[in-house]
Amino acid sequence: GQQLNQSPQSMFIQEGEDVSMNCTSSSIFNTWLWYKQDPGEGPVLLIALYKAGELTSNGRLTAQFGITRKDSFLNISASIPSDVGIYFCAGQSHMDSNYQLIWGAGTKLIIKP
Amino acid sequence: KAGVTQTPRYLIKTRGQQVTLSCSPISGHRSVSWYQQTPGQGLQFLFEYFSETQRNKGNFPGRFSGRQFSNSRSEMNVSTLELGDSALYLCASSPGGVQVGEQYFGPGTRLTVT
Repeated sequence: GQQLNQSPQSMFIQEGEDVSMNCTSSSIFNTWLWYKQDPGEGPVLLIALYKAGELTSNGRLTAQFGITRKDSFLNISASIPSDVGIYFCAGQSHMDSNYQLIWGAGTKLIIKP
Repeated sequence: KAGVTQTPRYLIKTRGQQVTLSCSPISGHRSVSWYQQTPGQGLQFLFEYFSETQRNKGNFPGRFSGRQFSNSRSEMNVSTLELGDSALYLCASSPGGVQVGEQYFGPGTRLTVT
């Protein structure tokens, strides 16, 4: 079956630092989605990508749909305390007849005091 | 538009009991997906309903079941609860159609099994 590898699993950063995380797939995806989850809440959609090579920003967040269509990246610039949480990527392949969304395991972002 | 709502928000049950969780999707959304999330874990896909039909199913035992009504509201049922079923259960809705597309999550139901 399709698999999504998300890395890193967790990150300890200083406030003000830039953050990068990525997801890679064993197969081609047509859609990449990035979500953030705060403790005890449901994930919130941050950025949606639909085209290979697409680069989309949402404030200090920037995500890219990889040219190979097998990966995606999320960057956060100048991190602030409210960036703390778990970031998930999700992808969808049109090769899957049911178009099921496949999820990464998440990247936990922790800001060092 | 109102977001995805889930009821109840918190629930405590005893091992062996059964439980029903409810999800109301965003107005106009026809697809509802359910996920289980245990502490420190990612999102484990349970099932997805579209137009009252189960379209996708994850690898969970038959104790976990769901249904969707004609107004797109969905319920999830867990029978014969086990301690390991303690988790945050999340519901997500999307416009649906051919592909699931962008999903919008509710706040979740925190289930504790004692």
